[in-house]
Amino acid sequence: NAGVTQTPKFRILKIGQSMTLQCTQDMNHNYMYWYRQDPGMGLKLIYYSVGAGITDKGEVPNGYNVSRSTTEDFPLRLELAAPSQTSVYFCASILGYQNTGELFFGEGSRLTVL
Amino acid sequence: GENVEQHPSTLSVQEGDSAVIKCTYSDSASNYFPWYKQELGKGPQLIIDIRSNVGEKKDQRIAVTLNKTAKHFSLHITETQPEDSAVYFCAARNLFGNEKLTFGTGTRLTIIP
Repeated sequence: NAGVTQTPKFRILKIGQSMTLQCTQDMNHNYMYWYRQDPGMGLKLIYYSVGAGITDKGEVPNGYNVSRSTTEDFPLRLELAAPSQTSVYFCASILGYQNTGELFFGEGSRLTVL
Repeated sequence: GENVEQHPSTLSVQEGDSAVIKCTYSDSASNYFPWYKQELGKGPQLIIDIRSNVGEKKDQRIAVTLNKTAKHFSLHITETQPEDSAVYFCAARNLFGNEKLTFGTGTRLTIIP
């Protein structure tokens, strides 16, 4: 059971380039999330999805896009990368939100924009 | 929306001593309070959680207390060990009205051998 898998683990981008961070989970979880983690700033929610075909903005969505075509996959797209997007990105999932349960995180993707 | 404040941002304790991390939340509708531990290079992992109908919960050396009136909750780690060194995050949400968890800014705990 792999849990939540993120790729790539590390990436360096030039300003203005685009890329997609991949996230897949094999736990049949309905809810998926993308967070960014900046030093000393905790975890900020970028986008989330409550099921295939449904996505919504979090606290810091500007500069990002997401899609959720399947239950398993929730890719995060960065268009026109900027230095402010240098961060560590975490994907997470949970079965449903009426029960508590555990929010499962991937191991993170460290992105540097130069 | 919910706002969670966490203190201190860094904490160093001697091995064997206790560590306490405190959080306050703003939304009185929040009723679920988990704590996550993040080891170096890893994603956060749930270590303990508490619902608002309970004042305290314990799991071996880890305990969480909740004061609903004051809107604060705390993580207590006793008999600290080197493997407790990590970043700890508190969080809060409303189980019945909100799909999103709001995190505190984290506490970097260092255990001094």
